[in-house]
Amino acid sequence: GEDVEQSLFLSVREGDSSVINCTYTDSSSTYLYWYKQEPGAGLQLLTYIFSNMDMKQDQRLTVLLNKKDKHLSLRIADTQTGDSAIYFCALVGDGDYKLSFGAGTTVTVRA
Amino acid sequence: DAGVTQSPTHLIKTRGQQVTLRCSPKSGHDTVSWYQQALGQGPQFIFQYYEEEERQRGNFPDRFSGHQFPNYSSELNVNALLLGDSALYLCASSPGRGRWDTEAFFGQGTRLTVV
Repeated sequence: GEDVEQSLFLSVREGDSSVINCTYTDSSSTYLYWYKQEPGAGLQLLTYIFSNMDMKQDQRLTVLLNKKDKHLSLRIADTQTGDSAIYFCALVGDGDYKLSFGAGTTVTVRA
Repeated sequence: DAGVTQSPTHLIKTRGQQVTLRCSPKSGHDTVSWYQQALGQGPQFIFQYYEEEERQRGNFPDRFSGHQFPNYSSELNVNALLLGDSALYLCASSPGRGRWDTEAFFGQGTRLTVV
């Protein structure tokens, strides 16, 4: 099955940029996603990238995809206290119906 | 639009009991997926229902079963509960165009505690 790995924790100062990294093993992945989960809440789709793209920018969010290295990253510019949450990398394999998630990166924004 | 609605939000069950969790999809969505999220982990896919049929299943035992109704709502049933079944159970709905896509939405989840 798909293996998705993320670093577990990230601490960042308010106003700085955050970079969350994810690696995966399934080269047939078609869509790759970033979800945000706040305490006691469900999952909120932040952004996504299709496998034929290298980069996608959406306001403060930038997604980079390196298909050769099977590496996905999410950059959050001007990180705010409201960005404190768990961020999950997820993907859908070719011909698949399910999302495969990483374990999540807990981002803590300090003043 | 209420989005994806799950009930109950919390419940406590005893080992060996059975539980039923419910999900109402977002308006216009006809596909429902269920995920189990243990504490400190990412969600794990249980199964997906489309046109009242189980379309794909993850690596969960037969104790986990489901159903989809003609109005697209869904139930997740877990029999013979184990302590390890304690988790947040998430329901997600999406338009049934055959694939997970960017129009999928998650509910707030049901927190199940087995004691």
